[in-house]
Amino acid sequence: QKEVEQNSGPLSVPEGAIASLNCTYSDRGSQSFFWYRQYSGKSPELIMFIYSNGDKEDGRFTAQLNKASQYVSLLIRDSQPSDSATYLCAVNNASKIIFGSGTRLSIRP
Amino acid sequence: DAEITQSPRHKITETGRQVTLACHQTWNHNNMFWYRQDLGHGLRLIHYSYGVQDTNKGEVSDGYSVSRSNTEDLPLTLESAASSQTSVYFCASSEKGWSYGYTFGSGTRLTVV
Repeated sequence: QKEVEQNSGPLSVPEGAIASLNCTYSDRGSQSFFWYRQYSGKSPELIMFIYSNGDKEDGRFTAQLNKASQYVSLLIRDSQPSDSATYLCAVNNASKIIFGSGTRLSIRP
Repeated sequence: DAEITQSPRHKITETGRQVTLACHQTWNHNNMFWYRQDLGHGLRLIHYSYGVQDTNKGEVSDGYSVSRSNTEDLPLTLESAASSQTSVYFCASSEKGWSYGYTFGSGTRLTVV
């Protein structure tokens, strides 16, 4: 079992809709959770982090954490073509961060 | 502005050669990391450092080494390049450790032929 699992996609969402990206992790001791966005040929960019159970909102982005279910999600409201990218879920493991393989998101006009 | 830079952006080398990838950051961050990114594997940690003279192995450290002689630089050396090391390499740094996320450099695409 991978430490951080994501559906590779592609996930296709119409413009203006809500995109929902999911991630599960295996280490119950993990305390910090991150979402990175990576455009093709570019480096990952941190867009959200969450430490506590529940929701955290930042603009059109909402991160959701459920530690009991070992589940993290990212919602993108009012999806735009510029949101088309690969989204990487990352989780701390002891003193370092472990990344999932990423979900490719495509926003169709 | 503070930044993290990697060089070269692209490198082609031959099997068996020693290769060094540079990473330089101007944030004065203590924590620096090297990852490789391959299709289907995501980002995998190669080596990391929490300060000068400190280095640690990650999950895919075989065939790689790092040294940290100052705060700004963490060069990654491939001792004897192999085709399996063809990948995109990212350097990252963070201010306060893993709990605050990382900032990544722009990456080095390495091809071993």
